[in-house]
Amino acid sequence: GDSVTQMEGPVTLSEEAFLTINCTYTATGYPSLFWYVQYPGEGLQLLLKATKADDKGSNKGFEATYRKETTSFHLEKGSVQVSDSAVYFCALSDLGSNYQLIWGAGTKLIIKP
Amino acid sequence: DVKVTQSSRYLVKRTGEKVFLECVQDMDHENMFWYRQDPGLGLRLIYFSYDVKMKEKGDIPEGYSVSREKKERFSLILESASTNQTSMYLCASSPIAGGSYEQYFGPGTRLTVT
Repeated sequence: GDSVTQMEGPVTLSEEAFLTINCTYTATGYPSLFWYVQYPGEGLQLLLKATKADDKGSNKGFEATYRKETTSFHLEKGSVQVSDSAVYFCALSDLGSNYQLIWGAGTKLIIKP
Repeated sequence: DVKVTQSSRYLVKRTGEKVFLECVQDMDHENMFWYRQDPGLGLRLIYFSYDVKMKEKGDIPEGYSVSREKKERFSLILESASTNQTSMYLCASSPIAGGSYEQYFGPGTRLTVT
């Protein structure tokens, strides 16, 4: 079945560092891919998405490119801020997932000033 | 903007009580979902609904039931609350149109069962 694997956390970085959070997937069809963010004590927010190969999703300085050849959707940001500290979830949907999202385990990001 | 609201941010209930968690969305989405989130266990799907009066079990339905009488409202019911149901409960909705099925979440209800 479909699955999403993302790097374990916590990931700890200094402010202004470059961020990469790895996400790889297994899917039978042509999935849509998502990154969600969850700030402490809150629900999840859709951060960005990509619906076909080579698409780049971007929002709030974050980017991720849908790489079909490597089945990856890595999240990147050039210069992180303390306010980016949160848990980040990678997810996918496709026709075989019955309208559901298949979730990664989440990666906690800690940014130190 | 899509808005998903949940009836309470924090709730404390006693073991054995019947608990209702309410979720309302304002974007006419067909699908609605209930998850629970626990440290180290990620997001786990309890139930989802793809239409009024329709429901499907998720990965962990035991001890829960749901009700969807109107399209905008999806209720999660704990028939007899137990301490192992202490958790963060998240509601989400998603449209069918567009085909990508992204979900929009409410703020969550942190339930404590004592």
